[in-house]
Amino acid sequence: GAGVSQSPSNKVTEKGKDVELRCDPISGHTALYWYRQSLGQGLEFLIYFQGNSAPDKSGLPSDRFSAERTGGSVSTLTIQRTQQEDSAVYLCASSQGPGTIYFGEGSWLTVV
Amino acid sequence: AQSVTQPDIHITVSEGASLELRCNYSYGATPYLFWYVQSPGQGLQLLLKYFSGDTLVQGIKGFEAEFKRSQSSFNLRKPSVHWSDAAEYFCAVAGGNAGNMLTFGGGTRLMVKP
Repeated sequence: GAGVSQSPSNKVTEKGKDVELRCDPISGHTALYWYRQSLGQGLEFLIYFQGNSAPDKSGLPSDRFSAERTGGSVSTLTIQRTQQEDSAVYLCASSQGPGTIYFGEGSWLTVV
Repeated sequence: AQSVTQPDIHITVSEGASLELRCNYSYGATPYLFWYVQSPGQGLQLLLKYFSGDTLVQGIKGFEAEFKRSQSSFNLRKPSVHWSDAAEYFCAVAGGNAGNMLTFGGGTRLMVKP
């Protein structure tokens, strides 16, 4: 597609429920990144994919967080048993090799 | 490990005035440097980037930034600010490896007075 597409754009969920956030990167981009932006906080790196593999998962905040990427394209970030502190904007980005990283509009998650 | 510092959390300027947003980075080699802008409720938009070559880079919306290796800085400038420039600005650094992972500064929120 023309840009990085994320869905849902907004999600309100009850504490304890699981959520899935989807990212569709720019066509042909091999690298895909997930970041989290909490209210009043900066941008926190979560995970990145090169193709379908994730060489660096160090940013995932807990074992409730997982991510996968299939077909070298779409990625899903899953948060299990959501907590209120998970409320944030989850930003996906993609790039083609070392170079410019393009961001999506984000998925705004609110846990109530 | 790479890191980015944006010393100014908030900046207020008058419309038409010049602007400089500071960014200092820490990285062991020549970094890739970026400035992104985020308007309220929006994602991140790339303003400009530095990879190599001319240390003064031009970006969109009339912004420019200068890479100064001796000062480990990559300050963003605009000669005349418009009200629509009010947003949050993020400086970021990426290495040539580690998956080109971006490390962001804490951001600077720009407010523009009429």
